[in-house]
Amino acid sequence: DTGVSQDPRHKITKRGQNVTFRCDPISEHNRLYWYRQTLGQGPEFLTYFQNEAQLEKSRLLSDRFSAERPKGSFSTLEIQRTEQGDSAMYLCASSLGTGEDQPQHFGDGTRLSIL
Amino acid sequence: LAKTTQPISMDSYEGQEVNITCSHNNIATNDYITWYQQFPSQGPRFIIQGYKTKVTNEVASLFIPADRKSSTLSLPRVSLSDTAVYYCLVVPSGNTPLVFGKGTRLSVIA
Repeated sequence: DTGVSQDPRHKITKRGQNVTFRCDPISEHNRLYWYRQTLGQGPEFLTYFQNEAQLEKSRLLSDRFSAERPKGSFSTLEIQRTEQGDSAMYLCASSLGTGEDQPQHFGDGTRLSIL
Repeated sequence: LAKTTQPISMDSYEGQEVNITCSHNNIATNDYITWYQQFPSQGPRFIIQGYKTKVTNEVASLFIPADRKSSTLSLPRVSLSDTAVYYCLVVPSGNTPLVFGKGTRLSVIA
């Protein structure tokens, strides 16, 4: 069990550029979640997948954000035309969706800085 | 979703037992109580989860009274490496997206 892996760990980009993050969940975990965390706050939910199906999207997920999980394994989160307010830590978590008490396990995130 | 309330910060000396209490007055029948720990620049790490009474693992204990309107995370003999933010969450059954508050910032002092 190698844990949830996120890549890159850090991303610095200029305002207006597009960025893409990758998340590799724990193998056999069929649920995958994306959260965003800003300084001093707890993580906020963005979206989640069960297998390849995107089941829920938060109102925080503007039309500049898109997430995919094409084969039900890894997932990507893309932000188009980045803005200063997008600077945050983007966290991915995965869980077994079959049981009622299966906890979500988080990766160490991708820290995005917008110049 | 049940809202949680926990202290913003706590200080403790090394070797002491630390108890962090969380209130969740509107917890629903099928909700679980889950605690996460987060270090700077890392993702939250699952610590413990329970439904009622007491749960213990190698890291912590979780005490939940009969009315389930509060819960207490107990960390035995803390060390400097336990300095972190601790989040209490109420999680509906079915493993839905988590709702985090601001957590409790625990500082362990030598």
